[in-house]
Amino acid sequence: GEDVEQSLFLSVREGDSSVINCTYTDSSSTYLYWYKQEPGAGLQLLTYIFSNMDMKQDQRLTVLLNKKDKHLSLRIADTQTGDSAIYFCAESIQGNDMRFGAGTRLTVKP
Amino acid sequence: GAVVSQHPSWVICKSGTSVKIECRSLDFQATTMFWYRQFPKQSLMLMATSNEGSKATYEQGVEKDKFLINHASLTLSTLTVTSAHPEDSSFYICSARDGAGGMDTQYFGPGTRLTVL
Repeated sequence: GEDVEQSLFLSVREGDSSVINCTYTDSSSTYLYWYKQEPGAGLQLLTYIFSNMDMKQDQRLTVLLNKKDKHLSLRIADTQTGDSAIYFCAESIQGNDMRFGAGTRLTVKP
Repeated sequence: GAVVSQHPSWVICKSGTSVKIECRSLDFQATTMFWYRQFPKQSLMLMATSNEGSKATYEQGVEKDKFLINHASLTLSTLTVTSAHPEDSSFYICSARDGAGGMDTQYFGPGTRLTVL
């Protein structure tokens, strides 16, 4: 079947940049998303990108999409302790039937 | 890894009928389960948070009498769409929280596509 894969853990120091990577296999994916989950809470949509875009920037967040390699990344600049959370990558086809990665746990050390 | 299942994976029903969707954690106990809804071409919307043995907490704008949630055991939560109408047609996803060992990881089900005629 089609999979969305992420590394499970990432640890960075406060003030550094964090880069969370994701790979997907369905070349017909048209929407790609990044969600944040804080402890005990549901998902929060951070940002999304259409498959015809290469990059999207929103304040401290930069999303890069390499469609040829089916690789999506989320860069968080100047990472803060409040950014500690689990980050989920997701894909959908024409906006339907989302598929999620397993999530990357980001730990920010002071 | 942990697995969350949903049943059914898709369902078609007539307007006015009720539909029950099950969400099961297969190899861990989930004290908390979440129910999400995805509208076409949109991202997920959190509908409610379900804690085992207590009433679900609904997000603003979600009708609790229409979307009945029951979390009777540590491995099963159900969402019942009562008196379904075509506008309830959507993709419903559950997730289950595994808090064992302090990991607090959330696992997603494969989703249920509901079509109301």
